Amino acid sequence: EVQLVESGGGLVQPGGSLRLSCAASGFTFSDHYMDWVRQAPGKGLEWVGRTRNKPNSYTTEYAASVKGRFTISRDDSRNSLYLHMNSLKTEDTAVYYCARRGGNYVLDYWGQGTLVTVSS
Amino acid sequence: DIQMTQSPSSLSASVGDRVTITCRASQGISNCLAWFQQKPGKAPKSLIYAASSLQSGVPSRFSGSGSGTDFTLTISSLQPEDFATYYCQQYKSYPLTFGGGTKVEIK
Repeated sequence: EVQLVESGGGLVQPGGSLRLSCAASGFTFSDHYMDWVRQAPGKGLEWVGRTRNKPNSYTTEYAASVKGRFTISRDDSRNSLYLHMNSLKTEDTAVYYCARRGGNYVLDYWGQGTLVTVSS
Repeated sequence: DIQMTQSPSSLSASVGDRVTITCRASQGISNCLAWFQQKPGKAPKSLIYAASSLQSGVPSRFSGSGSGTDFTLTISSLQPEDFATYYCQQYKSYPLTFGGGTKVEIK
């Protein structure tokens, strides 16, 4: 069974940093592109970014709203995905989901999400 | 960036009704369109990929159609468990973008 479990969310002050983790199991993690998607309270879904797999040099893509502040990384030996968030703003407050890109190019499995609150 | 516009933003329907949600892309995306269902407090669930292909395990009352800029999600006979918010998403180009969502409520 595919499972994605996020952790690391919490309360952080504006300008602060946080690292989210996503532990994957039930599939060959190293084969897949992995994404982060967020959802502000009461709002819709916003794609944050993607990391490709080793054959594609682990290259990344980001939304303009987070580019230069957020970094996505992965550790295939630990079946883990990370989101390093710096210079956090109040508008980054959201539930952050990790998601797997499946063989049909869509996000076919999602974690349960972790809440990040940016507030003084 | 490709903008995705869903309509309506919300609708009220009864069990057994046929429901149609539309999604329009600001430029052509071929069939690179996915639909997701999200229930309150839960993660999104993938329903449809490539505009019209059903994900494994998704009931056949869900169907998708369209290509280019105009797409639809149809629920042929609404069931109690279908009351949720539905999102379209394009994956033709970066950044990936979602529609604003359509909340399907009980009439």
